[in-house]
Amino acid sequence: GAVVSQHPSWVICKSGTSVKIECRSLDFQATTMFWYRQFPKQSLMLMATSNEGSKATYEQGVEKDKFLINHASLTLSTLTVTSAHPEDSSFYICSASLWDRYNEQFFGPGTRLTVL
Amino acid sequence: LAKTTQPISMDSYEGQEVNITCSHNNIATNDYITWYQQFPSQGPRFIIQGYKTKVTNEVASLFIPADRKSSTLSLPRVSLSDTAVYYCLVGDMSYGGATNKLIFGTGTLLAVQP
Repeated sequence: GAVVSQHPSWVICKSGTSVKIECRSLDFQATTMFWYRQFPKQSLMLMATSNEGSKATYEQGVEKDKFLINHASLTLSTLTVTSAHPEDSSFYICSASLWDRYNEQFFGPGTRLTVL
Repeated sequence: LAKTTQPISMDSYEGQEVNITCSHNNIATNDYITWYQQFPSQGPRFIIQGYKTKVTNEVASLFIPADRKSSTLSLPRVSLSDTAVYYCLVGDMSYGGATNKLIFGTGTLLAVQP
């Protein structure tokens, strides 16, 4: 149980386009989802915390207008990278926590974004 | 959120026990200690979590001294497939806690050789 999926697993896009990444909790309802970014050989960097039905909370230095997060249901959160540029190329990972297992986060497999 | 410090890398051989120590001098009363494992191009995987003393599960043990300013992840008899980055995280994971968000440190790259 407690499986988190992401779609797509990888995506290549042209500079200036927008890309949407989906994060789904497959067998549980996630009250909170988190979005991370990871550059090669670096650690995960928390971008934002997403709560169902409310606006996401962004970490300092993360542009909310560039990284749009929508958490429309208890099983789905989306991250849209708007007007993507090569420097946005990275590995994007989401995680989710259950309301009754708040002390454990379940991570998705990640999405590799390459902006040409 | 308490900052953590871990060795950047460690080497080991198959069949050995590996101990990775993490320092968290500013750990708060409500903070738990959690360890995650990450393979390249994959999301992190939960290994173990504890608050104090010793915790053991089917894959690892976690040792936490009384002052809780450090913790040690112990992996018994490692194999080649244990080669990964191991992250130590500290945060208030209690229900309704100040924050459930996880701040990842640099992690420890464990390289297991034959």
